[in-house]
Amino acid sequence: DAGVIQSPRHEVTEMGQEVTLRCKPISGHNSLFWYRQTMMRGLELLIYFNNNVPIDDSGMPEDRFSAKMPNASFSTLKIQPSEPRDSAVYFCASSPALLDEQYFGPGTRLTVT
Amino acid sequence: AQSVTQLDSQVPVFEEAPVELRCNYSSSVSVYLFWYVQYPNQGLQLLLKYLSGSTLVKGINGFEAEFNKSQTSFHLRKPSVHISDTAEYFCAVISTGGKLIFGQGTELSVKP
Repeated sequence: DAGVIQSPRHEVTEMGQEVTLRCKPISGHNSLFWYRQTMMRGLELLIYFNNNVPIDDSGMPEDRFSAKMPNASFSTLKIQPSEPRDSAVYFCASSPALLDEQYFGPGTRLTVT
Repeated sequence: AQSVTQLDSQVPVFEEAPVELRCNYSSSVSVYLFWYVQYPNQGLQLLLKYLSGSTLVKGINGFEAEFNKSQTSFHLRKPSVHISDTAEYFCAVISTGGKLIFGQGTELSVKP
């Protein structure tokens, strides 16, 4: 299995631009999670889905952030408009079920200038 | 609400020495506990997990952890570390809703 796939691995954009991060979970996994990691705040859970349905988006920082999971094999995290403080590494993780271990992707390093 | 506290932000140790990374949790319900490792510029990788059963859990790379309910701890140990163990280590607990709640991380630095 290829594991959780994230794209792009690196993204540099200017403030105000729209950014879309993509994630392909492990086949057969029912839960998908989006995290953000920064030096100041550590690992933060942004949102998670179970069977393609958003369960908890209380970690999404602002309305500028949105996430979708149109099918079991694909999810996006969108930031519009982006700001310098959004610079971070964004991880996607998937798990077979909600109360199970999570498998993390390699992350997308986002830099907003 | 569940929470996780990693008591040491940085642990320097010499190669081949033993190491213990400390983790305490708070939870009023049954706990599922995890240790993850993050190597530089990589995602998190599961080291070991405790769901139920034996309180001594063995993981990958020679690591083990002991679940101690009375002390609400889940400390990670390795009897002899290698340079390649240099990484950040995260303790985590799963909430009843399925959210992984992470500690702030412990940076293990193994020196020759």
